[in-house]
Amino acid sequence: DVKVTQSSRYLVKRTGEKVFLECVQDMDHENMFWYRQDPGLGLRLIYFSYDVKMKEKGDIPEGYSVSREKKERFSLILESASTNQTSMYLCASYRVAGRSGYTFGSGTRLTVV
Amino acid sequence: AQSVTQPDIHITVSEGASLELRCNYSYGATPYLFWYVQSPGQGLQLLLKYFSGDTLVQGIKGFEAEFKRSQSSFNLRKPSVHWSDAAEYFCAVGFGGTYKYIFGTGTRLKVLA
Repeated sequence: DVKVTQSSRYLVKRTGEKVFLECVQDMDHENMFWYRQDPGLGLRLIYFSYDVKMKEKGDIPEGYSVSREKKERFSLILESASTNQTSMYLCASYRVAGRSGYTFGSGTRLTVV
Repeated sequence: AQSVTQPDIHITVSEGASLELRCNYSYGATPYLFWYVQSPGQGLQLLLKYFSGDTLVQGIKGFEAEFKRSQSSFNLRKPSVHWSDAAEYFCAVGFGGTYKYIFGTGTRLKVLA
C-alpha cells in the first residue's frame, strides 16, 4: 500500500513564525497536493505539484508557499503564520497511471496562537 | 463552473438501518467520481471510485455507489449500517484532464445504537 506520511499530527506555533509542514510518499507518485480542511468548508486546495520543482497554485494559495526538491517530498510553508491559518492540513498523492484516486496522509492539525 | 454538492450536512441513522448519502455535481461531461471516509482526527480513506463502465460501483466496508448521468448524481449506499460507520463522508469529483479534484463539504454520519 502507498503510504503518505505527514511529519506532525499536532503542531502549535506562534503568530509570525515560519512554519514547515512536511509530507513524504513512498510509491513514486507524480502528483502531490496540499489541502486545508475547515468545518463546513470541506477540503480546499492550497497548492499542488505534478513533478519535481513544479508547482501550481490551488484555490487558496495566499500566505502559503511550497517546495518539491525530491519526488517523494512535498513541503508546505507558512511564511508568517497567522491565527486564520489554524486548521487541519492534509497532504495527498496521486499516480497518473492506474487512476487509483488520491492517497491521503493522516493530517496535521495546526494551531496558531 | 464545476461544483460538487453534498446537500446533507448531518445524517443520523440507527444501527442496522440502510443508508444513502447524496452527491451531485455540475459538469458538462462525465467526471471521475469518488467517495472518501474520514474518521475523527484521521486522513481520508478511499471507499470507492468511478471512471467509466458499470454505473454501480462496489467499494470497501460494504459500501456501493451508483452513477446516474441523467441526475448528475453519485449517491453512496449501504444496506445495513454498523456503529463503526460513524464518520464524515466526502464526495469528490475530477474533471477533464486535470488531476485536481473538487471535494464536497462533507456529510457527518451519526449511528444510533
